[in-house]
Amino acid sequence: QVQLVQSGAEVKKPGASVKVSCKTSGYTFTNYYMHWVRQAPGQGLEWMGAINPLGGSASYAQKFQGRLTLTRDTSTTTVHMDLSSLRSDDTAVYYCARDDTLVQGATGSLDSWGQGTLVTVSS
Amino acid sequence: SELTQDPAVSVALGQTVRITCQGHSLSSYYASWCQQKPGQAPILVIYGNTNRPSGIPDRFSGSRLGNTASLTITGAQAEDEAVYYCNSRDNNGDYWVFGGGTKLTVL
Repeated sequence: QVQLVQSGAEVKKPGASVKVSCKTSGYTFTNYYMHWVRQAPGQGLEWMGAINPLGGSASYAQKFQGRLTLTRDTSTTTVHMDLSSLRSDDTAVYYCARDDTLVQGATGSLDSWGQGTLVTVSS
Repeated sequence: SELTQDPAVSVALGQTVRITCQGHSLSSYYASWCQQKPGQAPILVIYGNTNRPSGIPDRFSGSRLGNTASLTITGAQAEDEAVYYCNSRDNNGDYWVFGGGTKLTVL
């Protein structure tokens, strides 16, 4: 079955960078985009960006342009999220979520989610 | 947010409730809905405006009229108490966006 397993919780100081990984299994890695979505404490879901695992191209929400980098490793079927210049308001749970648009077409959606990774930014 | 949801809705056990999501982009792009319970990751309950993934109870249904998408739960159960988020593309189709979420309380 489809599995998205994320790396463990992180505690970082302001100004540092964090890398969160999403290890996938149970499907053809290159057939599905991967998105990253975050959720600050007590808040809603916020879309951050997405990567095409086939070619590695990525798109980012304007809010994160210049601070967010998404990469993938096809040999380990893992997607990575790097967020730099961390601030206290980056404290959130970060989710990877699989996008089945390449398979479903226009009705595609985020059909499977990782378990989430808590990133805490504190001095 | 480019997608607008009511912050909270309540429903009596066994009754029907509709949760709505408004946004200009919904007239051009499909909406999906996910359910999130406290401390858990979201799960998809409706995609492509009206489709239900396998394993989702048939009391969940979706519809779209103009720039408003709706999630209906017919015969709400206690386990349906959760926050529901709509999700679609932005007005230009370049990015994805979420609604602010609707907290459903089952009385």
